[in-house]
Amino acid sequence: QVQLVESGGGLVQPGGSLRLSCAASGFNFNGFGMHWVRQAPGKGLEWVAFTRYDGSNEFYAKSVKGRFTISRDNSKNTLFLQMDRLRADDTAIYYCAKTPLDYWGQGTQVTVSS
Amino acid sequence: DVLMTQSPLSLPVTLGQPASISCRSSQSLVYSDGDTYLDWLHQGPGQSPRRLIYKLSNRDSGVPDRFSGSGSGTDFTLNISRVEAEDVGVYYCKQGIHWPWTFGQGTKVEIK
Repeated sequence: QVQLVESGGGLVQPGGSLRLSCAASGFNFNGFGMHWVRQAPGKGLEWVAFTRYDGSNEFYAKSVKGRFTISRDNSKNTLFLQMDRLRADDTAIYYCAKTPLDYWGQGTQVTVSS
Repeated sequence: DVLMTQSPLSLPVTLGQPASISCRSSQSLVYSDGDTYLDWLHQGPGQSPRRLIYKLSNRDSGVPDRFSGSGSGTDFTLNISRVEAEDVGVYYCKQGIHWPWTFGQGTKVEIK
């Protein structure tokens, strides 16, 4: 069965960096685009970023463009999100999801605070 | 960005009774292939989101047939024919045709 397991979250100071990972199994990872979606405390879902199956193209939400970078290693069935210049409003649970958002991981908590 | 507007935002329901959630998009979600790229997701308390309905009216595997999706163009509805206790949580509509993909604000369903 499809499994997506995020890791790498934690507490970071404003202006800092964090790299999230998502280990995928149970499907042909290199045949599907992948997304990151986040959920701030007590709020709704916000789509963050997408990478095509081969990493050839990426899309970003305006709120993270220029600060976050999505990437993937198809040889290791792993998705990444490099988050730089973090701000307090980036505090959220970050989910990875297989396109078209039919399978989701359990999420990893990112807290940006001094 | 495509704005997705749900109503109501809070929906108290009685067990065994029907429930309905509306979603409106600011642009058409009909793609050139003729499909409508509107999905419904459910997030139970403390859980990750789970897709229930894809491309307007198709139920995902394992989703009970009491859930149904309908609509056209820019107006959509999720119906629950008879609400069960496990249906509580937040329901989101989502469009997957225009970048960035966007979600509705969420409708919180709770038992009266």
